[in-house]
Amino acid sequence: NAGVTQTPKFRVLKTGQSMTLLCAQDMNHEYMYWYRQDPGMGLRLIHYSVGEGTTAKGEVPDGYNVSRLKKQNFLLGLESAAPSQTSVYFCASSLGLAGVPRDEQFFGPGTRLTVL
Amino acid sequence: DQQVKQNSPSLSVQEGRISILNCDYTNSMFDYFLWYKKYPAEGPTFLISISSIKDKNEDGRFTVFLNKSAKHLSLHIVPSQPGDSAVYFCAALLGYAGNMLTFGGGTRLMVKP
Repeated sequence: NAGVTQTPKFRVLKTGQSMTLLCAQDMNHEYMYWYRQDPGMGLRLIHYSVGEGTTAKGEVPDGYNVSRLKKQNFLLGLESAAPSQTSVYFCASSLGLAGVPRDEQFFGPGTRLTVL
Repeated sequence: DQQVKQNSPSLSVQEGRISILNCDYTNSMFDYFLWYKKYPAEGPTFLISISSIKDKNEDGRFTVFLNKSAKHLSLHIVPSQPGDSAVYFCAALLGYAGNMLTFGGGTRLMVKP
């Protein structure tokens, strides 16, 4: 049981390049999330999905797009990378019990992205 | 403006002693609070939580206290062990906003043998 996996683990981009980060979960979870972690800022929610084919904006969505074509996968895209997007990106998933606080989020190991 | 703040970026304690990590929040509508633990090169993992209708929740060596009037919560670890050395994040949840968590900036705990 792999849980939540993220691909790639590390990536270096030049300003203006595009890339897609892949998140996969094998727990049959309904909800999936993308966060970014910056020093001193904790984790901030970028986008999230409450089910296959649905996505919604989080706290810091600008410059990112997402897609949830399959229940087990959640993709995060950067169309034109900027140095401000240098960060560690975490994907998470949860069962999908809306309004139930014990709907624990399980996190992947992270992707470290550097934009030069 | 950060709604959840952890004002101590780091904390160092001796093995066997108590570790106290603090968290303050500004939004009185938060109704559930969680603590996550994160080791280097890994994702955060859930540690313990507390509902806003309670003032204390205990799980083994970990206890979380909530002071709603002060908008303050704390995590106590007794006794502290070297394996507890990690970054601890406080997070808050708005019940009506689904499962969107708001995180604090984290506190790095170092437990010395």
